Amino acid sequence: ETGVTQSPTHLIKTRGQQVTLRCSSQSGHNTVSWYQQALGQGPQFIFQYYREEENGRGNFPPRFSGLQFPNYSSELNVNALELDDSALYLCASSWTSGSSYEQYFGPGTRLTVT
Amino acid sequence: SQQGEEDPQALSIQEGENATMNCSYKTSINNLQWYRQNSGRGLVHLILIRSNEREKHSGRLRVTLDTSKKSSSLLITASRAADTASYFCATPRLRGSTLGRLYFGRGTQLTVWP
Repeated sequence: ETGVTQSPTHLIKTRGQQVTLRCSSQSGHNTVSWYQQALGQGPQFIFQYYREEENGRGNFPPRFSGLQFPNYSSELNVNALELDDSALYLCASSWTSGSSYEQYFGPGTRLTVT
Repeated sequence: SQQGEEDPQALSIQEGENATMNCSYKTSINNLQWYRQNSGRGLVHLILIRSNEREKHSGRLRVTLDTSKKSSSLLITASRAADTASYFCATPRLRGSTLGRLYFGRGTQLTVWP
């Protein structure tokens, strides 16, 4: 196990609603990244947080937002849900000052939008 | 895009056989990582190979890296039914914002039949 936890495990929402997903990073890690994985695809980078600041994002609209807390836990918020947001959402924690950039993934949250 | 691509997309073998998966990437790297994913769950880090390494072993896993061809291969020897999973290669971003973010391919779905 990586020590990274996510909640909830599964979630069903209706189009137009808002959702918050949570992640608890591995102890000692200062960076958390969020990825979206559609069925049959590889994970796609959403954004990254370093010391509570967004440190860059991938090709996702502003309705995807996040927070990182002082204890290195993190949230992913998605507003105005669309059907295409149905996916597995993965968070990953890492130690940025390292050079390997190895990331430790949580088990994911499966979001279904109907 | 720095995204890696795995080949083949799907691989089906019998227990005891070897499984070989290939990965190609596009830009400079300092390491390449292989991950495993069981049935749409979280990613498990398998092995990291640095750009100055040509081959690395971990148990039944053997990874090679050819930076001149921008390619890597993952060999699983004496496969078991429990090896059935999706396998992804990933390369980290080396410059700019989102340092360390991982670029994934679509993965290889390995099925090992008893």
